[in-house]
Amino acid sequence: DAGVTQSPTHLIKTRGQQVTLRCSPKSGHDTVSWYQQALGQGPQFIFQYYEEEERQRGNFPDRFSGHQFPNYSSELNVNALLLGDSALYLCASGQGLTEAFFGQGTRLTVV
Amino acid sequence: GQQLNQSPQSMFIQEGEDVSMNCTSSSIFNTWLWYKQEPGEGPVLLIALYKAGELTSNGRLTAQFGITRKDSFLNISASIPSDVGIYFCAGPGAGSYQLTFGKGTKLSVIP
Repeated sequence: DAGVTQSPTHLIKTRGQQVTLRCSPKSGHDTVSWYQQALGQGPQFIFQYYEEEERQRGNFPDRFSGHQFPNYSSELNVNALLLGDSALYLCASGQGLTEAFFGQGTRLTVV
Repeated sequence: GQQLNQSPQSMFIQEGEDVSMNCTSSSIFNTWLWYKQEPGEGPVLLIALYKAGELTSNGRLTAQFGITRKDSFLNISASIPSDVGIYFCAGPGAGSYQLTFGKGTKLSVIP
């Protein structure tokens, strides 16, 4: 049983560009959440998708958007990249309210 | 917003020693989760706690849900080198789908 898978694992982008990160949830999970983890910090909640709708959003600007597909996989899009967007982006899946299982993350570097 | 305070921030211990770390919150949590993260990886769920006073073990790890519902503790017995990593506590706030994370406790084990 594959766990949560994310792609790509590493990415380098230039300021002002746009990026799309992808996530496939653990089998049987219908909820996908995205987190941003800066170096030396705990993960920060970006948003959660359930039934193809954004169910809750954290304190992130509108440059961060997402999508969930009918097969429960999800994308995170970030527009107009800033240097400060450099971080590890984590996808977590779950079924219900709690017990989020994380992928290995996508390391985004903005130069 | 909600904040979780973890202590200690870091600890260096000898192999074979027991370890204790804790997490406190200014508000009540209905669920406490403990994760371990190793370099370049996503957090891995170690223990989930759902009830005040609950004590749950996973091998050499034991975690407790504080009776005030504002704190939780994680103990590791007889530490080994592979216990090295950053341990995070996390939980969803009341009525929230997002996980709030502490800043982590970095554990180093000296062989």
